[in-house]
Amino acid sequence: KNEVEQSPQNLTAQEGEFITINCSYSVGISALHWLQQHPGGGIVSLFMLSSGKKKHGRLIATINIQEKHSSLHITASHPRDSAVYICAVFRAAGNKLTFGGGTRVLVKP
Amino acid sequence: DAGVIQSPRHEVTEMGQEVTLRCKPISGHNSLFWYRQTMMRGLELLIYFNNNVPIDDSGMPEDRFSAKMPNASFSTLKIQPSEPRDSAVYFCASSLAMGARISGYTFGSGTRLTVV
Repeated sequence: KNEVEQSPQNLTAQEGEFITINCSYSVGISALHWLQQHPGGGIVSLFMLSSGKKKHGRLIATINIQEKHSSLHITASHPRDSAVYICAVFRAAGNKLTFGGGTRVLVKP
Repeated sequence: DAGVIQSPRHEVTEMGQEVTLRCKPISGHNSLFWYRQTMMRGLELLIYFNNNVPIDDSGMPEDRFSAKMPNASFSTLKIQPSEPRDSAVYFCASSLAMGARISGYTFGSGTRLTVV
């Protein structure tokens, strides 16, 4: 079993819909990272959080440390949100990231 | 700041040749990471440095891979000799780590390596 599991693996939405991506992890962490990667593109850091909730524009990330679970929400989705979203965790000891398998999101106009 | 700068953006080389990938981290960051991304295995950490010292190289596939960080503003990842299975996108990232607190984690644009 992978230490970081994401669901769903693939998601298709219509423009304007609310999207939720889930991430569960099985190890102790110091922080969790949500990343975005457009096709053929680089990796952009969206959020790094260790508790509660963060919001940036139409993106919201939440984390529940007790349940070892995080969610990334996209409100009023847009075709430009089409990308792979990757959850990654910093182990409680150390500076290295362990990655989930990614969620491929397609937003249709 | 220009962000994490990687070069080259694309590299095509013949099997057996030496390949050197370069990375300039964000000024002031003290941690540097080399990652490899493939369709089959996703993102994998190869090695990371803290204050120019290699901390964990357990992800380096084999002796053909080596990484150096001679100073705080430059790192190289070298593959010698290269093989077709090394074809992947190689990302460099840097961050500022102060104890358990990590900030500014930033990825470079990556180097797409093709070994033919």
